[in-house]
Amino acid sequence: AQSVAQPEDQVNVAEGNPLTVKCTYSVSGNPYLFWYVQYPNRGLQFLLKYITGDNLVKGSYGFEAEFNKSQTSFHLKKPSALVSDSALYFCAVRDAAFLIKAAGNKLTFGGGTRVLVKP
Amino acid sequence: KAGVTQTPRYLIKTRGQQVTLSCSPISGHRSVSWYQQTPGQGLQFLFEYFSETQRNKGNFPGRFSGRQFSNSRSEMNVSTLELGDSALYLCASSSSQGHWELFFGEGSRLTVL
Repeated sequence: AQSVAQPEDQVNVAEGNPLTVKCTYSVSGNPYLFWYVQYPNRGLQFLLKYITGDNLVKGSYGFEAEFNKSQTSFHLKKPSALVSDSALYFCAVRDAAFLIKAAGNKLTFGGGTRVLVKP
Repeated sequence: KAGVTQTPRYLIKTRGQQVTLSCSPISGHRSVSWYQQTPGQGLQFLFEYFSETQRNKGNFPGRFSGRQFSNSRSEMNVSTLELGDSALYLCASSSSQGHWELFFGEGSRLTVL
């Protein structure tokens, strides 16, 4: 079984300060990891993914995430937060062997972290 | 390319009725997944279709069903609606050409009275 934990329900940060949203995962094999962002009354927007290779992944809107296999973490970061970054952020995981295991393209999502960036 | 399109965006039903939601995936995407989002349960996987076949199903009662057509468009149906079915229903499509990341539509917000 695969699972994702986002330990913080909400993160508050001042505009211009660094932003970190935490995520830890559990999967039986190698993970495919994803971050999504959701604005009010909207669907989820894809931010970035880790598949393999460099542990530091760069994505949209200046976000990046660091994959740490030993700590089974995939924290989302942004060096300088903007007020417009205020939204709900979701981490998701899928077993890399999902097709071999015939598990289908099912992502398991964390509970979400609400980010509030104050001016 | 146009994104994932879901219709209707908003709808209100009463208990006992049924509802059908529609999803048009990104052109060329053959996988369509459905998720239910509620404040209490978060994002929960409903089912995934690939080439008109249901490939995976979440832990939802049989009142929740879906199908996919030959043009990859998908519909989901909820029969005998309950108050607890009020939620944002999200459809996502993915391509086998990449790493199967999901691209979501704006969702259909269902309110059951």
